[in-house]
Amino acid sequence: RKEVEQDPGPFNVPEGATVAFNCTYSNSASQSFFWYRQDCRKEPKLLMSVYSSGNEDGRFTAQLNRASQYISLLIRDSKLSDSATYLCVVNEGGGYQKVTFGTGTKLQVIP
Amino acid sequence: NAGVTQTPKFQVLKTGQSMTLQCAQDMNHNSMYWYRQDPGMGLRLIYYSASEGTTDKGEVPNGYNVSRLNKREFSLRLESAAPSQTSVYFCASSDPDRPSSYEQYFGPGTRLTVT
Repeated sequence: RKEVEQDPGPFNVPEGATVAFNCTYSNSASQSFFWYRQDCRKEPKLLMSVYSSGNEDGRFTAQLNRASQYISLLIRDSKLSDSATYLCVVNEGGGYQKVTFGTGTKLQVIP
Repeated sequence: NAGVTQTPKFQVLKTGQSMTLQCAQDMNHNSMYWYRQDPGMGLRLIYYSASEGTTDKGEVPNGYNVSRLNKREFSLRLESAAPSQTSVYFCASSDPDRPSSYEQYFGPGTRLTVT
């Protein structure tokens, strides 16, 4: 089983739609969680951290379910500019703060 | 601030050739990382440096060496390139002592092709 698993997609959604991605992780001792965004042929950039209580940033909502070991990202009112690959990232802690990246979920927002 | 810079942006090597990928950050971060990204594999850690003067192996270190020249610079060397090392290489830095988050800042990447 992969340490961090994501549905690769692509998710093709019309503008204005709501879309949700899930990510599962295998290490129950994982300490912190993040969503990164990666545009085509660009570097990954932090989108948002994921807190136990859930957090929201504008149209984006991230949630963590420790019992089931998954995190989610909800995007409301999708924009064309949201088209990108979304990487789930898990910090397992330890001596060097081991960070594991998921392979990413590709989102294409269609006009 | 330039953030994290990498050179070169593109490189084509023949099998057996050597090269060094350069990375520098101006954010005064202690930790620096080298990743490779391949289709369907996600980002995989090659080497990391928790602080100046220290380096450690990550998930896929074979065929690579690194040098943490100073706090700003962290280079990755391929001694004898192989086609399996064709990939996109990203350098990243972070400051794990920040209490608010553990964000990694990435450079723009180096696209390496080994023929």
